[in-house]
Amino acid sequence: DTAVSQTPKYLVTQMGNDKSIKCEQNLGHDTMYWYKQDSKKFLKIMFSYNNKELIINETVPNRFSPKSPDKAHLNLHINSLELGDSAVYFCASSQPPTDRLTNYGYTFGSGTRLTVV
Amino acid sequence: QKEVEQDPGPLSVPEGAIVSLNCTYSNSAFQYFMWYRQYSRKGPELLMYTYSSGNKEDGRFTAQVDKSSKYISLFIRDSQPSDSATYLCAKAQRGYQKVTFGTGTKLQVIP
Repeated sequence: DTAVSQTPKYLVTQMGNDKSIKCEQNLGHDTMYWYKQDSKKFLKIMFSYNNKELIINETVPNRFSPKSPDKAHLNLHINSLELGDSAVYFCASSQPPTDRLTNYGYTFGSGTRLTVV
Repeated sequence: QKEVEQDPGPLSVPEGAIVSLNCTYSNSAFQYFMWYRQYSRKGPELLMYTYSSGNKEDGRFTAQVDKSSKYISLFIRDSQPSDSATYLCAKAQRGYQKVTFGTGTKLQVIP
């Protein structure tokens, strides 16, 4: 039973198109994230939602718009796709620790490999 | 300068070797330190988690944090080919629900 699932796994599209990536978690976590991983494997946070509220919005072009219909779902819509948007996009979820002994780790999905041609 | 720096590798070792992976960070406010393992074409998975300075051991894996020098390490004993992956160190600050990742070190364990 997949904990964090993303769809689609692969997405090949032309420049200028609009596309969406969906994410769902069944862990009961309050917080969800979108990360972008470039070709050098660097993971950079894009957005974070806590119980449907946007709490982190890093420096990301406003062509990227996240939406969280409920705390188990976080979608990412991308307008006017550019070549530089090609990357692997990871969704993750977590529960904030209540004390220093609590696990602060994220659970990641398996990623969406986006290729813009 | 990135907040968390790692040598990208690749690091190649023979099976059975002791592996040392290292990471430095620049923000002394970080309190939580993690190591993630990422296999090719998969999402990162949490491997080790520590709070503040000291050592933590879990089977063949030992995580070490030295806050005075802002240095964290992951040691893998008796390395196996199945340990071949990219290892990402990560930091978080209490009260902030954001984890900052290093650039990752690619490890290859040769049978």
